[in-house]
Amino acid sequence: NAGVTQTPKFRVLKTGQSMTLLCAQDMNHEYMYWYRQDPGMGLRLIHYSVGEGTTAKGEVPDGYNVSRLKKQNFLLGLESAAPSQTSVYFCASGTGDRPQHFGDGTRLSIL
Amino acid sequence: SQKIEQNSEALNIQEGKTATLTCNYTNYSPAYLQWYRQDPGRGPVFLLLIRENEKEKRKERLKVTFDTTLKQSLFHITASQPADSATYLCALDPRNTPLVFGKGTRLSVIA
Repeated sequence: NAGVTQTPKFRVLKTGQSMTLLCAQDMNHEYMYWYRQDPGMGLRLIHYSVGEGTTAKGEVPDGYNVSRLKKQNFLLGLESAAPSQTSVYFCASGTGDRPQHFGDGTRLSIL
Repeated sequence: SQKIEQNSEALNIQEGKTATLTCNYTNYSPAYLQWYRQDPGRGPVFLLLIRENEKEKRKERLKVTFDTTLKQSLFHITASQPADSATYLCALDPRNTPLVFGKGTRLSVIA
C-alpha cells in the first residue's frame, strides 16, 4: 500500500519553463490537496479537489493550475515558472472526516 | 483577521521530561483540531484529532487538549525521547473549508 506518491521528487527549472507535478493516491480518497511549504511560512494550500472532475482555489493559487481527471490522480501545473515558485510541494489526500495523508514532497528549484 | 499561531519556532527539552506545545487561534470556530508530525525531508504524518466537544484526547505518550473558550490547544509528549525530535504542526478545520496549518514548532529532545 503506497499511500500518496509524488513524482518527481526533485526538479530544477529555468524561469519561464513549464512542468507538471503528479500526485497519485491508492486509498480511494475523495479529497486531494496541493500545498507549498516555505521556510517561516508553513504549509499553504494552493488548490484542492473534493472529487473527480472538481477543483477549487486555496490560499495561494496564482501561477498554478490543477486537474483531477481521475479520482486517484491530482496534477499541479506551472505554466511559466518563476523564482518565487521555488519551494517544496506536498500533495495530500483524505476523506470528508479527515485527517490528511501526505506524500513526501517535490523539491522544486527555479533558476 | 484569522490567525493560527504555534507558540515558538523551536523548543529544546531534556529526555524524559514532558514537552508541551501550544497552538492558539483567533477568529476561527473550528470543528476539529489536528496535530501532525513532520520529519526533515518527509511529509507531515497525522497524530491526533480532537473535536470541539472533546476536552482531551490521548494516544500512548501523547495528549491533546482543546479549549474553545481560550481558543487554544496544548499538545503534550510525556517521557520524551530523542526519537520524538521533529516539527509538530497543528491544523484547524474551520468548518466546510480546507484545513489551516500553523507554521510548526521544531522540538529537540536532548539525551
